[in-house]
Order: sequence, then C-alpha cells, then structure tokens
Amino acid sequence: EVQLVESGGGLVKPGGSLRLSCAASGFTFSTAWMFWVRQAPGKGLEWVGRIKETKYGGTTDHAAPVRGRFTLSRDDSKNTLYLQMNNLKPEDTAVYYCNTGARYWGQGTLVTVSS
Amino acid sequence: DIQMTQSPSSLSASVGDRVTITCQASQDVGKNFYWYQQKPGKAPKLVIYDASNLETGVPSRFSGSGSGTDFTLTISSLQPEDVGTYYCQQYDNLPLTFGPGTKVHIK
Repeated sequence: EVQLVESGGGLVKPGGSLRLSCAASGFTFSTAWMFWVRQAPGKGLEWVGRIKETKYGGTTDHAAPVRGRFTLSRDDSKNTLYLQMNNLKPEDTAVYYCNTGARYWGQGTLVTVSS
Repeated sequence: DIQMTQSPSSLSASVGDRVTITCQASQDVGKNFYWYQQKPGKAPKLVIYDASNLETGVPSRFSGSGSGTDFTLTISSLQPEDVGTYYCQQYDNLPLTFGPGTKVHIK
C-alpha cells in the first residue's frame, strides 16, 4: 500500500524557516518524480514544485511565488522528500501536500506564518 | 502560464441528477489533464486521468471528456457521497496549474 506521510509543519514567524518532510513507502521512491502542492485556508490548490528521479539528476522546478525561497530535495536512501522553506511570508500559510503526481497524496501538514 | 477556468463555481443538485462541470485551459494541453474530488479536511482524490480515463475504484457514474482546451466532468446520477469540491489540473506544461474548483452540494 502506498503511503505518503508529511511532517514538519507548524507556526513560524515571518522571515523564518521550516523544513517539511514526506516519508514514502509502498512504491519504488527512487524512480518516482515527486511533487509538493499547497492549499491556503479556504482556497484552491497551488503547485509548489517538482523533483525528478535521481536518474534524471534530481532536477527541480519551483513555482514562481516560492522560487529562490523554497527548495525541494530528496534522500532516496531514506525514501524521503523534503521542502526547505526560507524567508517565509504570511501568504505561505497553507496545508502542504506531497504527492506522486496525481494518484497518491499525503494527508498534508499545516504551515502557519504569523507574528 | 496556462490559466484554467472552471464553471460553475458551485452547484446544487438533487440526488439522481446528471451533473456537468466544465474546465477550459488558456492553451492546448492535449489530454494531459486530471479531475480531482476533494472533501473538507482531506487530500484531493484523483477521479479522472488523461482527460477521460476513470481512476481505479472510482464509481462508473463519473466520466470525463475533452481534449485541447475544453474538458468536461460528468456525474451521471449524483449521489450524497459525491458532495465536495472538484478541481481540474493540466500537466502539459510547467507550472502545473489547477482550476479554481467547483463546489457540489445536494439540494
């Protein structure tokens, strides 16, 4: 059974940093392209970024609103996806989901940026 | 960026009604298109992939059609468990983009 479990969310002040993790199981993580999507409270879905499998260099792409502040990475030895978030802004407040593209999603982790 | 528009933004229908949701992309995305269902407090659930393929385990009353810029999600006979918000998404080009969602209610 495929499982994606996010962790690391919480309350952080503007300008602060947070690292989210997504622990994967039930599939071959090392060959999976992985994604982060976020959803602000009461709002729609917004793509955050993508990381290719290591065979393709683990290349990352980030959405414009987070580019230069957020970084996707992966540790295939731990079957874990990461999202390093720096210089956080109130508009980054959202539930952050990891997914495998469409079919499998985690339960989400809430990030609140507020003073 | 490819903009996705959905209509209606919300709808209310009776159990057993046929329901149609449309999504339009600002440029051709071929069949690189998904439909999701999301219930409050839950992650989105894939309903249709590649524009017209029913995801495993999804009831056959759901169907998808379209290609290029115009897409449709149809629920042939609305059931109480179909209540939620439906989102479309294109994956033809980065950034991946979603429609704003359609909230489905039961009358």
